[in-house]
Amino acid sequence: DTEVTQTPKHLVMGMTNKKSLKCEQHMGHRAMYWYKQKAKKPPELMFVYSYEKLSINESVPSRFSPECPNSSLLNLHLHALQPEDSALYLCASSQVPWYGYTFGSGTRLTVV
Amino acid sequence: KNEVEQSPQNLTAQEGEFITINCSYSVGISALHWLQQHPGGGIVSLFMLSSGKKKHGRLIATINIQEKHSSLHITASHPRDSAVYICAVIPTGNQFYFGTGTSLTVIP
Repeated sequence: DTEVTQTPKHLVMGMTNKKSLKCEQHMGHRAMYWYKQKAKKPPELMFVYSYEKLSINESVPSRFSPECPNSSLLNLHLHALQPEDSALYLCASSQVPWYGYTFGSGTRLTVV
Repeated sequence: KNEVEQSPQNLTAQEGEFITINCSYSVGISALHWLQQHPGGGIVSLFMLSSGKKKHGRLIATINIQEKHSSLHITASHPRDSAVYICAVIPTGNQFYFGTGTSLTVIP
């Protein structure tokens, strides 16, 4: 298995909803990442988990809450989002931090 | 100032043409990635380079560490190659810096 699997592929949520994005890999990678990508822009780093510990939080608002329950799974919990949070959310993993990257196909999030 | 510059920003080619996308960067790096993203889709890593040249099918990537420059070449381009191609560099022990991408359209 050489993939990073993200679910759901599409999500529409209201500003008062609570939802979660899921990312899974079974490559034995020890670093996992959340990126946010707006249209026609490069991805922006949100969070990095290294050996299941949060190592980087790029000043992301608290309405985004990451969780890494185990080395294969990364969640992003969403609560009270704003319409400007609508974007493609990409998960990635790497063998060790910053080496040997694999990206997921993303979750297209729309906040209404 | 962007640490990674790509050119061109947009590129339209006829099917079968040879295509070159350039990437220049201003920081010392441990590796450089070429990434492909289809419209609305996720990102696929095409190459990771730290020196020399790599080839995969019709794609060739080269890097010149001294000149801080990399190129991605596509031979015999095909409409399915239409995508955004992103150059991303990893400064030693640090996070990715992404280029702004090159949007490629290959016309049949």
